[in-house]
Amino acid sequence: EVQLVESGGGLVKPGGSLRLSCAASGFTFSSYTMSWVRQAPGKGLEWVSFISNHNKYIYYADSVKGRFTISRDNAKNSLYLQMNSLRAEDTAVYYCARGRQPTDSDAFDFWGQGTMVTVSS
Amino acid sequence: DIQMTQSPSTLSASVGDRVTITCRASQSISTWLAWYQRKPGKAPKLLIYKTSSLESGVPSRFSGSGSGTEFTLTISSLQPDDFATYYCQQYSSYWTFGQGTKVEIK
Repeated sequence: EVQLVESGGGLVKPGGSLRLSCAASGFTFSSYTMSWVRQAPGKGLEWVSFISNHNKYIYYADSVKGRFTISRDNAKNSLYLQMNSLRAEDTAVYYCARGRQPTDSDAFDFWGQGTMVTVSS
Repeated sequence: DIQMTQSPSTLSASVGDRVTITCRASQSISTWLAWYQRKPGKAPKLLIYKTSSLESGVPSRFSGSGSGTEFTLTISSLQPDDFATYYCQQYSSYWTFGQGTKVEIK
């Protein structure tokens, strides 16, 4: 069974940093692209960042470019999101999601349950 | 950036109704469109990819159509389990979601 479990969320002050993790199981992690998607309270879904299966392609939404860094460790079946210079508008539930095919553009076929990030003083 | 606009924002319907949700892209995305179902407290579930391809395990009452800039998700006969929020997503250029359509009980 495919499972994606996010962790690392919490309360952080504006300007602070946080590192999210996503532990994958039930599939060959290194064969799939991964993304982070977030949903702010009362808002819709927003794609945040993408990483290809062997790190060749990495993309970011303009809203987080220069502040967030996506990475993965295929040996540990884990995806990460390093978030720096956090702002109030980064407050959201963050989801990791698996790309349906190992191409650099596809729908997301499995999602985790999410981890809440709150940026507030 | 490609913007996605869904309509309606909320839809009231009864069990057995045929339901249609529309999604418009700000520029052509060919058929690179997916639909997701979202229930409170649960992760989004992929229903349809590449406009009309049904994800494994998704009931056949769900169908999708369209191309270019206009797309639809149709539920042929609404079931109790289908009351949820539905999102379209383009993946022609990065990824963008529509704002969602909540299907509620009439």
